[in-house]
Amino acid sequence: SQTIHQWPATLVQPVGSPLSLECTVEGTSNPNLYWYRQAAGRGLQLLFYSVGIGQISSEVPQNLSASRPQDRQFILSSKKLLLSDSGFYLCAWSGWENTGELFFGEGSRLTVL
Amino acid sequence: GESVGLHLPTLSVQEGDNSIINCAYSNSASDYFIWYKQESGKGPQFIIDIRSNMDKRQGQRVTVLLNKTVKHLSLQIAATQPGDSAVYFCAENIGGTYKYIFGTGTRLKVLA
Repeated sequence: SQTIHQWPATLVQPVGSPLSLECTVEGTSNPNLYWYRQAAGRGLQLLFYSVGIGQISSEVPQNLSASRPQDRQFILSSKKLLLSDSGFYLCAWSGWENTGELFFGEGSRLTVL
Repeated sequence: GESVGLHLPTLSVQEGDNSIINCAYSNSASDYFIWYKQESGKGPQFIIDIRSNMDKRQGQRVTVLLNKTVKHLSLQIAATQPGDSAVYFCAENIGGTYKYIFGTGTRLKVLA
């Protein structure tokens, strides 16, 4: 069966520090990968998605970047965090067949102080 | 604009009763819908899905109904249990693309 893991689960970082959140998927090949941000009481905002290694599409201009160095690995990064980067970040995957099913990881809570 | 919304932000039900959570969507091109359950501090959990060629789908204690005429989606939970307490939200997908539109969620509270 397919599983998705992301880490760290919780992160507290000072303003101006770098960020690296990692996500890996197991049990499938060539997944579509996504990074979302969820604000309290609000819907999910798509940040990045990737249909293959090295292929990244950005939905919202921001202080963050994403990379996909391996087929089942997706990384969310920042060189210098802002206070507004605080939030709950979710990695998700869907099958390359594009049948629609979307599965989420457990989330990473980022607090920027 | 295109949106997926929920009618009731908070729903309180007695343990053992049935729960119905509603969702409206506005994009007639959407052909696939998912219901998620999200517990506090955790990622959304895939509950059940339905495609636009169906109007009803059943899972374990859950049923999703799709009314394409009025662009309405509902999640029914039978014999609601304390463990069902969570935020539930719907999502729509357009033609198997990468685009998913999510509702803001309904909080379900199960009263003992």
